[in-house]
Amino acid sequence: QKEVEQNSGPLSVPEGAIASLNCTYSDRGSQSFFWYRQYSGKSPELIMFIYSNGDKEDGRFTAQLNKASQYVSLLIRDSQPSDSATYLCAVARAGNNRKLIWGLGTSLAVNP
Amino acid sequence: SAVISQKPSRDICQRGTSLTIQCQVDSQVTMMFWYRQQPGQSLTLIATANQGSEATYESGFVIDKFPISRPNLTFSTLTVSNMSPEDSSIYLCSVVRAGGNYEQYFGPGTRLTVT
Repeated sequence: QKEVEQNSGPLSVPEGAIASLNCTYSDRGSQSFFWYRQYSGKSPELIMFIYSNGDKEDGRFTAQLNKASQYVSLLIRDSQPSDSATYLCAVARAGNNRKLIWGLGTSLAVNP
Repeated sequence: SAVISQKPSRDICQRGTSLTIQCQVDSQVTMMFWYRQQPGQSLTLIATANQGSEATYESGFVIDKFPISRPNLTFSTLTVSNMSPEDSSIYLCSVVRAGGNYEQYFGPGTRLTVT
């Protein structure tokens, strides 16, 4: 079992819909969770991070964390074609020298 | 937020040669990391660049192949030595800002092609 798992996709949604991206992790000691967006040919860009159970909202993005079930999700409301990218989930464990454990990413395509 | 630059942005090199990649940040950071990303793949951590001491390498990466320097809090270099076509990849530096926790911010990357 990989430490951080994501569905590789591609996930295809129509413009204006809600895109739901999921990530599960195996280590219950994980304490910080990150979503990065990566456009083709560009470097990863941090878009959300969450430390506590529940929801965290930032504009059209909502991160949801459920530590009991060991998953973190990213919701993108009113999806736009400019949201088409690969979304990487990353997890930090305590005592890991601030290293992140990365998922393989989910490719999202928003169709006009 | 910190501005991170990398040089060169891309290069084409012959096998057997070495290339040094620079990463410069415009403000002090606590942590600097070097990653490799193969086309269509996720990120693979090469090493943590430690200020004033030897880098900490991940399994599968060794200092002789990927020597790293970090002479101060805002600058680091990664050298890819004795290159082979398998080293063709995108190399990325990332930083954790001073006052930050685990959030990493990435430079624009260096696209390396070895022929």
